[in-house]
Amino acid sequence: EMVMTQSPATLSVSPGERATLSCRASQSVGSSVAWYQQKPGQAPRLLIYGASTRATGIPARLSGSGSGTEFTLTISSLQSEDFAVYYCQQYNNWPFTFGPGTKVDIK
Amino acid sequence: EVQLVESGGGLIQPGGSLRLSCAASGFTVSTNYVTWVRQAPGKGLEWVSVIYSGGSIYYADSVRGRFTISRDNSRNTVYLQMNSLRAEDTAVYYCARDLVGPTCRWGQGTLVTVSS
Repeated sequence: EMVMTQSPATLSVSPGERATLSCRASQSVGSSVAWYQQKPGQAPRLLIYGASTRATGIPARLSGSGSGTEFTLTISSLQSEDFAVYYCQQYNNWPFTFGPGTKVDIK
Repeated sequence: EVQLVESGGGLIQPGGSLRLSCAASGFTVSTNYVTWVRQAPGKGLEWVSVIYSGGSIYYADSVRGRFTISRDNSRNTVYLQMNSLRAEDTAVYYCARDLVGPTCRWGQGTLVTVSS
């Protein structure tokens, strides 16, 4: 089973600052990585798929990059609504697997 | 409007069975793929199972042999039959349309608690 790891576990950032979240796959997954955001009590929301394609309605301040085993989600200027937990997921190999998540909280 | 509504969760004893439903509206389950994802209390997301439009089905290792995904096109509903339930199956279960892609949409989830 493909293992996805994320770092850091928690990222403390001030509003307006840049946040960089990392995700690593145990084997190459090409560009088959998605990113999700989840807020307390809510279902996850798809942000990015294909490593870098923004989902419908996702603002341009969120961007994804990477391929192979190393992936990054960047939030260029954190807004209040961006404080949440972020998960990466690979969908290149069955079973599809999620990373453990990165919590972005207010510094 | 695209909507997915999960139901069927509840409190069940270890070893018991439950059937979750994912009722879809605004789209047809037979022409999309529907995925079940679960989240244990305070934990991360775990991919559980998927059924594709062509009928292909896949399961996570942790549920294979115990859970069965199916769909009823006439009811536009996807089901997750869960047998031999264990304490570690306790979670909120979400269904999602087209998990990865521009038409992705999640339901709000249903809570399954396995406890004696």
